Amino acid sequence: DAGVIQSPRHEVTEMGQEVTLRCKPISGHNSLFWYRQTMMRGLELLIYFNNNVPIDDSGMPEDRFSAKMPNASFSTLKIQPSEPRDSAVYFCASSRLDFAGELFFGEGSRLTVL
Amino acid sequence: GIQVEQSPPDLILQEGANSTLRCNFSDSVNNLQWFHQNPWGQLINLFYIPSGTKQNGRLSATTVATERYSLLYISSSQTTDSGVYFCAVTNQAGTALIFGKGTTLSVSS
Repeated sequence: DAGVIQSPRHEVTEMGQEVTLRCKPISGHNSLFWYRQTMMRGLELLIYFNNNVPIDDSGMPEDRFSAKMPNASFSTLKIQPSEPRDSAVYFCASSRLDFAGELFFGEGSRLTVL
Repeated sequence: GIQVEQSPPDLILQEGANSTLRCNFSDSVNNLQWFHQNPWGQLINLFYIPSGTKQNGRLSATTVATERYSLLYISSSQTTDSGVYFCAVTNQAGTALIFGKGTTLSVSS
């Protein structure tokens, strides 16, 4: 089976630009998670979805961040406008049974905002 | 909230050595996973082990849920084992997966 697929793998953009990160979860998994990893803060949960519905978005830094899951096989994380402090690696993960199940991570999207 | 502490924070080994990484957690959990983040940044699942013992090749893990700790054993370490090892636990409410700060392992030949 294919794992969690993320795109783009690398993104370099200028401050103020819109950034869209994409994720395809593992087929059959009903929970999807967006994490952010930085040296200072480690791995932080931004938002998670269960059956395409956002369950907890308390980790989303601010209104510049938004996430959608229009169907079971696709999710986006959007940052608009982007700022240099958003530079990080963004991971998408999926599981069969929310946090009680085994989470599988994609390879991450490394974002650099200049 | 639940606290996850990993030790040691850093570990340097010669190829062929064995090591034990520890993960302590402050409350009951209903899920525990070990991950390896390789030098390319990929997070690779090692074990899903809320309790008991599992083995996969040179790696094995044991979780003693009643005493709130888990151990990851690496035997005959290889340079490809280098990277950061994370322990992550799910709280009893099942509302979050909390990561420890990781153990950075460097294996030299």
